Amino acid sequence: LAKTTQPISMDSYEGQEVNITCSHNNIATNDYITWYQQFPSQGPRFIIQGYKTKVTNEVASLFIPADRKSSTLSLPRVSLSDTAVYYCLVGDPNQAGTALIFGKGTTLSVSS
Amino acid sequence: GAVVSQHPSRVICKSGTSVKIECRSLDFQATTMFWYRQFPKKSLMLMATSNEGSKATYEQGVEKDKFLINHASLTLSTLTVTSAHPEDSSFYICSASHPGPTNEKLFFGSGTQLSVL
Repeated sequence: LAKTTQPISMDSYEGQEVNITCSHNNIATNDYITWYQQFPSQGPRFIIQGYKTKVTNEVASLFIPADRKSSTLSLPRVSLSDTAVYYCLVGDPNQAGTALIFGKGTTLSVSS
Repeated sequence: GAVVSQHPSRVICKSGTSVKIECRSLDFQATTMFWYRQFPKKSLMLMATSNEGSKATYEQGVEKDKFLINHASLTLSTLTVTSAHPEDSSFYICSASHPGPTNEKLFFGSGTQLSVL
């Protein structure tokens, strides 16, 4: 499984856009990139998933360059409630029974 | 989205006792479920893969006799921490693999905080 590298922590203020970049140099052809959010004492929550180019949903955008060796999660106009740990994971979602291996994640702290 | 229910959310037990944690997929059938363990301010660590009707596959370093996993039905997997000791105190999280063509394939439970006294 491809290893991912993210910044350990990031700080931001309310209303700002936050971009968290993840590198995954050994991503395989069938791998997708998935981002999860985790609050303390809770299970991870799915944010967004993509394969290439750009994906956008109601909470975030995911930018993936052509070589797919990295990806950037973009959170528009963060609020205090976005303070959490964000995990970038790569894997083949079509491989039934394949676990997701979590890296260290990025702790995002949003201040007022 | 699909829901995975984990119970209990918090348990305190005495050293030497056993604790069972349940993980249920409420609105889908999950052939495969996964158990993770998380220490404070650390990432999730995969403990084992639970397959319905067969023996679980444990990650290296995880004692299968200590962490008993049973996946007797397509909607329920259980993790039993046997003869618990204080070092087993941790946050345990399950996830279930959704079989459908959804963007989100793995759904996570809300976790169980185990404290062994």
